[in-house]
Amino acid sequence: NAGVMQNPRHLVRRRGQEARLRCSPMKGHSHVYWYRQLPEEGLKFMVYLQKENIIDESGMPKERFSAEFPKEGPSILRIQQVVRGDSAAYFCASSPQNSGRSTEAFFGQGTRLTVV
Amino acid sequence: KNQVEQSPQSLIILEGKNCTLQCNYTVSPFSNLRWYKQDTGRGPVSLTIMTFSENTKSNGRYTATLDADTKQSSLHITASQLSDSASYICVVSANTNAGKSTFGDGTTLTVKP
Repeated sequence: NAGVMQNPRHLVRRRGQEARLRCSPMKGHSHVYWYRQLPEEGLKFMVYLQKENIIDESGMPKERFSAEFPKEGPSILRIQQVVRGDSAAYFCASSPQNSGRSTEAFFGQGTRLTVV
Repeated sequence: KNQVEQSPQSLIILEGKNCTLQCNYTVSPFSNLRWYKQDTGRGPVSLTIMTFSENTKSNGRYTATLDADTKQSSLHITASQLSDSASYICVVSANTNAGKSTFGDGTTLTVKP
């Protein structure tokens, strides 16, 4: 059972371009979460999705950022018109159908976005 | 406001020594508390997860404690190894969903030979 797969591992974009980050959850997991980690800082929650639904996007910037988790395929975090401040590591985590108070979330290795 | 505070921010110890990392939280209502280890450039990896009724849990040389009354947790590392050098993150969940949780900023541990 492969873990959470994120690609690409590294992404370089020029200011104004679009960045698309992909996350394939673990097999059997229907909950996906995205986090951003700025250099030398902790992980910050961005968005929580289930298949075809955004459950909580309270951590998403109001503009330029969007996320989806379609019925088929990976979850996508999309950043339009990137700026230098978007440079960070973006982590995805997944968990199985919520089964109780000890639900575990497993992290991918992250995508490191560099905006030049 | 839900908060998780970790101390110290960074710690340097010699190989073979023990150390204890602290986590204080104000997350409510409490669901579970997790400790993660994050190696540089990698994703976090779970070490322990504890619910309200558990006050200690071990994973090899890692032992986590939880005091739900004082809202404090600690992670004790025994006989440290060079590979223990990493960031240790305390995460507290306020509901039954593991994903939307409050993360501490982590303690950066450096183990020197």
